[in-house]
Amino acid sequence: AQSVTQLGSHVSVSEGALVLLRCNYSSSVPPYLFWYVQYPNQGLQLLLKYTTGATLVKGINGFEAEFKKSETSFHLTKPSAHMSDAAEYFCAVSPNQAGTALIFGKGTTLSVSS
Amino acid sequence: DTEVTQTPKHLVMGMTNKKSLKCEQHMGHRAMYWYKQKAKKPPELMFVYSYEKLSINESVPSRFSPECPNSSLLNLHLHALQPEDSALYLCASSQVIKTPIYEQYFGPGTRLTVT
Repeated sequence: AQSVTQLGSHVSVSEGALVLLRCNYSSSVPPYLFWYVQYPNQGLQLLLKYTTGATLVKGINGFEAEFKKSETSFHLTKPSAHMSDAAEYFCAVSPNQAGTALIFGKGTTLSVSS
Repeated sequence: DTEVTQTPKHLVMGMTNKKSLKCEQHMGHRAMYWYKQKAKKPPELMFVYSYEKLSINESVPSRFSPECPNSSLLNLHLHALQPEDSALYLCASSQVIKTPIYEQYFGPGTRLTVT
């Protein structure tokens, strides 16, 4: 069975600081991994995805994530936080079967202070 | 166009009411999903439609009744709900071909309050 663990339910950074949101997965097959962002009272927006190929994945809004198989990790980073980055972030893994649901982590709330 | 639309944006209903939530996408996706999300929690899967047929029902109470009239539309009919059903209801869609799985695109959600 596949699962996702997001370390830290709440991360606080200062504007301009590095953002690091941690995600570890468990999968018996090559995983497909996603990061979604959810702003207050909105739906989920896809930030980036890893399926195959290059392990460093670039997404929207300056975010990127690196797939590390040896560490079973897919951490999300952004070099310089902006106030507008404050939101809920979800890491998700695909069950590798079309038409089934993503498996989400519990989410990390990112706060950005000025 | 990667847009999934949902109506209404907000809905307040009594426990004896009947209402429906609507979801629409024009990306040619043949899988559509309903999720329920409580505050500060990840989305919980309720139903999956694949090629307009219900493929997954996550033991959802019968007061929630999904419908997929065509490949672009997904409805969720609500009847005799309980206050604990108050939540954000999210619709999503994705391609259905074979593996690998494709990412899901989410709508903005319907904020449901049951009084």
